[in-house]
Amino acid sequence: NAGVMQNPRHLVRRRGQEARLRCSPMKGHSHVYWYRQLPEEGLKFMVYLQKENIIDESGMPKERFSAEFPKEGPSILRIQQVVRGDSAAYFCASSPPRLRNEQFFGPGTRLTVL
Amino acid sequence: SQQGEEDPQALSIQEGENATMNCSYKTSINNLQWYRQNSGRGLVHLILIRSNEREKHSGRLRVTLDTSKKSSSLLITASRAADTASYFCATDSDKLIFGTGTRLQVFP
Repeated sequence: NAGVMQNPRHLVRRRGQEARLRCSPMKGHSHVYWYRQLPEEGLKFMVYLQKENIIDESGMPKERFSAEFPKEGPSILRIQQVVRGDSAAYFCASSPPRLRNEQFFGPGTRLTVL
Repeated sequence: SQQGEEDPQALSIQEGENATMNCSYKTSINNLQWYRQNSGRGLVHLILIRSNEREKHSGRLRVTLDTSKKSSSLLITASRAADTASYFCATDSDKLIFGTGTRLQVFP
């Protein structure tokens, strides 16, 4: 049973480009969470999604960031017009229905903005 | 601001010694969880303690929870070099809120 998968593992973008981060949850998990981790800091919640629905996006920056979890395919975190301050590790976690607190984390995507 | 704050920020010990990390939080919680993060990797769930529990064990891990003081501790007994990692507490009200972590270094 594969764990949470994220790709790419490393992503380098120049300022102004778009970054797309993908997350495939564990089999049977319908809840996906995105977190951002700046160097030497803990994880900060960004957004919580179920299939085709955004449940909680209270941690998402107001501009340039969006997330989706379509009926088919992985969840996507999209960052438009990236800036240097977006450089961070982005982690995805998934959980089964009705067990929201039991989150399993992916290996993360390290975004570097030049 | 962050819900959980770990103390100390960094800890260095010799193999075989015990390591104790503390976590304080601010608001009421449903449960508290501890995670480990090896350098450059994702988080691994270690243990969950519910708000009505005071102590929980898992192998060499012992977690305590004091809801009156809004604090928790993680004890790793007989530490090994492989325990070198960052350790985070995460509290759950309606979402997981992570602290800034304790960086543990265990020297062989």
